[in-house]
Amino acid sequence: AQSVTQLGSHVSVSEGALVLLRCNYSSSVPPYLFWYVQYPNQGLQLLLKYTSAATLVKGINGFEAEFKKSETSFHLTKPSAHMSDAAEYFCAVSDPGANSKLTFGKGITLSVRP
Amino acid sequence: NAGVTQTPKFRILKIGQSMTLQCTQDMNHNYMYWYRQDPGMGLKLIYYSVGAGITDKGEVPNGYNVSRSTTEDFPLRLELAAPSQTSVYFCASINLGTGGGEAFFGQGTRLTVV
Repeated sequence: AQSVTQLGSHVSVSEGALVLLRCNYSSSVPPYLFWYVQYPNQGLQLLLKYTSAATLVKGINGFEAEFKKSETSFHLTKPSAHMSDAAEYFCAVSDPGANSKLTFGKGITLSVRP
Repeated sequence: NAGVTQTPKFRILKIGQSMTLQCTQDMNHNYMYWYRQDPGMGLKLIYYSVGAGITDKGEVPNGYNVSRSTTEDFPLRLELAAPSQTSVYFCASINLGTGGGEAFFGQGTRLTVV
């Protein structure tokens, strides 16, 4: 069964600092991997996705993530945090086969200090 | 662009009451999902559907039922509401293609059972 681990529940950075949000996955087949962002009182929206093409994936708002098969990781980074990045971030995995389900991690809350 | 529409946005139920959470999508996606989100727990899959007439249980199906009579609609039914069902519920639809797809989420329904 596929699963996602997001260690820690809260990350706090200063404005302008590097953002690093960690995600490790478990899957029996090469997975599809996703990062979603949720702003307060809203639904989730897609930041970026990995679907077996380039291992370094660029998303919206300056975020990117690198798929590392040897480490079963898909960490999310942004070189310089902005106040508007404060939100909850979810890593998700799906099996590219039929009847695929999208499985989410527990989420990480990102705070950005002025 | 309507996308995924959920109604109602908020609801308070008494223990033992029943209700239906509505979800409609206008993107002609085959895959639809119901998740519940609890603080610090991420999103848990309740039920999902891979097409009209086909539904299957997710991780936490107990106390819920679904139906999928059309591609557009995927209602979630709570028959005997319990306090443990207090949560935020999200419906999502996915265009699962060769590119791994993107999940589109509704704005959520915040349900309180008292």
